[in-house]
Amino acid sequence: GEDVEQSLFLSVREGDSSVINCTYTDSSSTYLYWYKQEPGAGLQLLTYIFSNMDMKQDQRLTVLLNKKDKHLSLRIADTQTGDSAIYFCAEGRRGSQGNLIFGKGTKLSVKP
Amino acid sequence: GAVVSQHPSWVICKSGTSVKIECRSLDFQATTMFWYRQFPKQSLMLMATSNEGSKATYEQGVEKDKFLINHASLTLSTLTVTSAHPEDSSFYICSAPGGGTYEQYFGPGTRLTVT
Repeated sequence: GEDVEQSLFLSVREGDSSVINCTYTDSSSTYLYWYKQEPGAGLQLLTYIFSNMDMKQDQRLTVLLNKKDKHLSLRIADTQTGDSAIYFCAEGRRGSQGNLIFGKGTKLSVKP
Repeated sequence: GAVVSQHPSWVICKSGTSVKIECRSLDFQATTMFWYRQFPKQSLMLMATSNEGSKATYEQGVEKDKFLINHASLTLSTLTVTSAHPEDSSFYICSAPGGGTYEQYFGPGTRLTVT
């Protein structure tokens, strides 16, 4: 199948770290993405990782990829109230740039 | 970064009417654009690939006669929902590939409500 699974909700306190998990099924996925969607807005690409990488860090964001288990995670350090949004995991394949398979999104709520 | 706009941002129409949604790449050219549909609390589903100067490619299960796509220029793709019904109510999002092989820029989406 082509399922991308995410937990639907995550609640953290401001200043804590947030970890959003995602599992995917297609081992041929070339790129894996994390997108952020704020209420009423489109998707903003947060970060991506190539399938031959294990980890990628970009400021407060750390992406971990376990290709054996087909598990992807996004860690947000020092979570702020402005990080409250829905986070989508997506997988893409070489040659099918538009055909991203999205998870249902994880709604992150950050409490002050 | 590259910007993709959509117009309108939201629209309410009566059942049986047609609605046109525009997707524009503002500072770059896009020979290909993608149209997604997002139901509440659901993921985005690719509906079709819009190709400049040629016919759109529709995903399985998407009615091409109902969702008309026109990619008339390198910066504009339109999606027309014909004879809209309440079940067509959804959030429609377009995107366009960036210069790299992994980048894709998304528009802000159009909320369609059919009454």
